[in-house]
Amino acid sequence: KTQVEQSPQSLVVRQGENCVLQCNYSVTPDNHLRWFKQDTGKGLVSLTVLVDQKDKTSNGRYSATLDKDAKHSTLHITATLLDDTATYICVVGDRGSALGRLHFGAGTQLIVIP
Amino acid sequence: EAAVTQSPRSKVAVTGGKVTLSCHQTNNHDYMYWYRQDTGHGLRLIHYSYVADSTEKGDIPDGYKASRPSQENFSLILELASLSQTAVYFCASSGLGDNYAEQFFGPGTRLTVL
Repeated sequence: KTQVEQSPQSLVVRQGENCVLQCNYSVTPDNHLRWFKQDTGKGLVSLTVLVDQKDKTSNGRYSATLDKDAKHSTLHITATLLDDTATYICVVGDRGSALGRLHFGAGTQLIVIP
Repeated sequence: EAAVTQSPRSKVAVTGGKVTLSCHQTNNHDYMYWYRQDTGHGLRLIHYSYVADSTEKGDIPDGYKASRPSQENFSLILELASLSQTAVYFCASSGLGDNYAEQFFGPGTRLTVL
């Protein structure tokens, strides 16, 4: 059973627009949640990690929120660029160390057009 | 610069043949992982290792073997490749003491079994 669900499955936006990606999960315990960016044909690169019960992070044009009560996270991308075209993957960790397991979503494919 | 590299980057294999995928990391990490990625699905853990000369089964180990001859190297072996093993395979490394078990991913190997 899929424990990490991402929506939308794919999204097309115009350069300069903002977008929001959603992640809902049922993983327990939910120690932390991380967002990765995966460029086509490349590996996953970490964008941010959220840890607290109600958490917010910011990394340049990327900002994220986590609500552990709702088991829900969002990734906001502001003023999108063509280089933001990629798959964004939500990952929930059940422990705070390498001893834990990671639960991966299938990703949201974002396409930014001129 | 710390990195995870994989070879080959792509491979075509015949059904029933033997396939070896290699991974090398310069992160000085104890933990290494092999995942497979299928279209529309999240990454799934095949095997992992936390010390040289020892490997552990992940969530989907059937049909795969792993080998960790040194801290830097981790191989995935398909003794009898099957059509269902067509996928993209990712290697990752992680340090036990690192912040929330961040895993650093290689670029992936695209395996096609015919």
